[in-house]
Amino acid sequence: QKEVEQNSGPLSVPEGAIASLNCTYSDRGSQSFFWYRQYSGKSPELIMSIYSNGDKEDGRFTAQLNKASQYVSLLIRDSQPSDSATYLCAVNKGGFQKLVFGTGTRLLVSP
Amino acid sequence: SQTIHQWPATLVQPVGSPLSLECTVEGTSNPNLYWYRQAAGRGLQLLFYSVGIGQISSEVPQNLSASRPQDRQFILSSKKLLLSDSGFYLCAGLESNYGYTFGSGTRLTVV
Repeated sequence: QKEVEQNSGPLSVPEGAIASLNCTYSDRGSQSFFWYRQYSGKSPELIMSIYSNGDKEDGRFTAQLNKASQYVSLLIRDSQPSDSATYLCAVNKGGFQKLVFGTGTRLLVSP
Repeated sequence: SQTIHQWPATLVQPVGSPLSLECTVEGTSNPNLYWYRQAAGRGLQLLFYSVGIGQISSEVPQNLSASRPQDRQFILSSKKLLLSDSGFYLCAGLESNYGYTFGSGTRLTVV
């Protein structure tokens, strides 16, 4: 079992729709969860962090965490073509705050 | 907030040649620093991390080594490159509970 699993996609949504990206993790001791966006050929950039069960909203983005189910999700409302990118889920591991990344979900938003 | 500087942006090296990639950090002191590699179509693989000067932990046995000669400097090296060393190399710094900040990356092609 991979430590962090994501569907590779692509996930295709029309402009203005809600995109839902999902991630599961294997280490029940994980406490910190992150979503990164990576455009093709570029380095990842942090878009959301979440540490407690429930929802966390920031603009068009909502992160959801369910530690009992070991599940993290990212919702993007009013999706724009500029949101087309690969979204990486990351989970902390170990005392030195190492992050383990999923392989990413590619999101395509069509105009 | 911290800024991670990496260079060069792209590099083409022959098999068997040496490698030195440098990462410097601005805006913080004594950061945790990380080297990741992203192979084409693959996820981010943690190679090395460092919690301070001279302190290096290796995650994956391989043809590479890392050093941290100064607080804000992290170097990735190889004595003899292999074809399998090709990839996108990313340096990252930990910003408290805000996750990682990544440098712009070096795309290495070994020919």
